Parts: sequence; C-alpha cells; structure tokens
Amino acid sequence: AQSVTQPDIHITVSEGASLELRCNYSYGATPYLFWYVQSPGQGLQLLLKYFSGDTLVQGIKGFEAEFKRSQSSFNLRKPSVHWSDAAEYFCAVDPITGNQFYFGTGTSLTVIP
Amino acid sequence: GAGVSQSPSNKVTEKGKDVELRCDPISGHTALYWYRQSLGQGLEFLIYFQGNSAPDKSGLPSDRFSAERTGGSVSTLTIQRTQQEDSAVYLCASSHRTSGYVLPNTGELFFGEGSRLTVL
Repeated sequence: AQSVTQPDIHITVSEGASLELRCNYSYGATPYLFWYVQSPGQGLQLLLKYFSGDTLVQGIKGFEAEFKRSQSSFNLRKPSVHWSDAAEYFCAVDPITGNQFYFGTGTSLTVIP
Repeated sequence: GAGVSQSPSNKVTEKGKDVELRCDPISGHTALYWYRQSLGQGLEFLIYFQGNSAPDKSGLPSDRFSAERTGGSVSTLTIQRTQQEDSAVYLCASSHRTSGYVLPNTGELFFGEGSRLTVL
C-alpha cells in the first residue's frame, strides 16, 4: 500500500543543536516530495520540495532535505535549531499519477533553551 | 488574493446543525483540495477538484459531507447534521498541479489557515 511514514512522533532538541526528521515512503516510482511546517493555529507552509535533479534540496529557514532513492527516504535536516523552529513538521508525497497528495502523520518538534 | 483564504476561521455549532466552510483559492490555481485535521492527527484527504473535471470525492467520510466548486474558483464544504466527531480543523489547499505526467507540474499545495469547527 502507498504510505508515508514519519517514525518520530515527537522530538526534543536543544537550541543550537542539529536536527534530522525522518521520512520514508512506499511508491513504485519516484514521486515528488515535500516538507511542510505547521505552527500552532496556522495552516501548512512549504519548507522545500524535490521534483528531480540534485538530491540535496535547500529550503527556507535554513532547512535542507536529501532524497535517497535506494532508501525511499527524504529526511529533513537543519544544522542549528532555533527556538522559533518549534512546530509540527509534515512530509508529503505526490505520486504524480492520481489525484492525492499523501501526508505523513507529522513530527512535533520541541526546542528547549 | 495573495494566498488561500478560508472562512470562517472558527465555527462553533450545535450537534445536528448544518455548517458551510468556504475556501477562496489562489487565482489561477486549477486544483483545490480539502483536508481534515483532527486534534494531534495528520491530514485526512476529503475531496479534490481539478478544473472542470468531476471531483474526486473518495475521501468524504459520510454522505453528510459534500462540497462544490463554483466557476472553478471558490469552494464550499458543507457538513449536514453535524456530529461531535466532526470537530476538527478543515484545511483547504490550492495548486497549479495537474493529474498525471504533465509538465511543468509545480505540484506544491498552498494551504489556507483553516477553519476550526467545534460541534457541541
């Protein structure tokens, strides 16, 4: 079955520490891949996207993600986390064929001073 | 407008009442999605509109839910005879996305801030 997995429900990091949020997907072909962030009471904001080409993509707010085809993964990273990064992060997949986007269940990030 | 606009931002209703939620997508976006997000949960797909094509209603949880999109722009999600389990945030998103391998396919969804529905 098609799915998007974010294995970490909640992550806590110290401000200034590095961050990696995991995302795995199961689709037959290489889909389009996205990371969104949702602050409390807000809609989802696009952080970055991968369509094709360079497997390391840069996004807003200092985030980057790396697409690894062999692992069907698209992990999100940030070298130094800021307190304002505390939010919910969603990985999303567009299989390209069909209508739906598929979202992971999200990872909640807490940043401690 | 510059972004996806949703109204109302908050709606409190009594069980059994009907509610309408409105979404005004980004001008020129042919694709429009509705999602439901329950407390602490991910996004549940509800319905997808693409241009003048028949909508994909496969995510609607029951026949109490319906949606329409007039003139390929504004969309209304209607929930009839609301139940307490309908309490959630309803998110609308629009996109240039087209179905299938049609390039360029910018793909990403632009979300509104959601309509929070509370059914008492």
